[in-house]
Amino acid sequence: NAGVIQTPRHKVTGKGQEATLWCEPISGHSAVFWYRQTIVQGLEFLTYFRNQAPIDDSGMPKERFSAQMPNQSHSTLKIQSTQPQDSAVYLCASSFQGIEVFFGKGTRLTVV
Amino acid sequence: GQGVEQPAKLMSVEGTFARVNCTYSTSGFNGLSWYQQREGQAPVFLSYVVLDGLKDSGHFSTFLSRSNGYSYLLLTELQIKDSASYLCAVRPSSSGSWQLIFGSGTQLTVMP
Repeated sequence: NAGVIQTPRHKVTGKGQEATLWCEPISGHSAVFWYRQTIVQGLEFLTYFRNQAPIDDSGMPKERFSAQMPNQSHSTLKIQSTQPQDSAVYLCASSFQGIEVFFGKGTRLTVV
Repeated sequence: GQGVEQPAKLMSVEGTFARVNCTYSTSGFNGLSWYQQREGQAPVFLSYVVLDGLKDSGHFSTFLSRSNGYSYLLLTELQIKDSASYLCAVRPSSSGSWQLIFGSGTQLTVMP
């Protein structure tokens, strides 16, 4: 079991460019979550899917952020027109029943 | 608003114990989890509690008082390698969402 796999591990984008982050959840897990982590704000919930369906996107900045889960084996988080304040570690996580949540190692996004 | 609060730092001595406190105020309550996060790594699940009282898991024990909105993580027989950030997370779900609200984490330093 390789755990939750996130790619890339590091990404640098210019202000205004688009960034797409990828996540492969643990096989058999029904839920996939996206969080982001910064020193100032800590770990913030963005959105999650259960059985590929979007369930709760209450943490997503609506204008430039979007997430999809086209199949059971991967999810993407897309940020359009990236801004310096989007710089953070984006963590994908998966869970079987929502109690024990397994996190990936994250993608460190830097917007310059 | 909803919030989870933790002290930022805690220091203790190898071989003794440390208690990491967490207070929360959320619209609903559907369980509280503790995670360990080492520098540059993903959070790792430690414990989940939903009922009042003490749950003993050996090296880690967890206490919950729902009426007081309070929990603690107790680490006994501390080792240097227990130095890490410990994150408290509440599932507030009044809607069935599996979203977690995280505290900012308590950085535990275990000294020789």
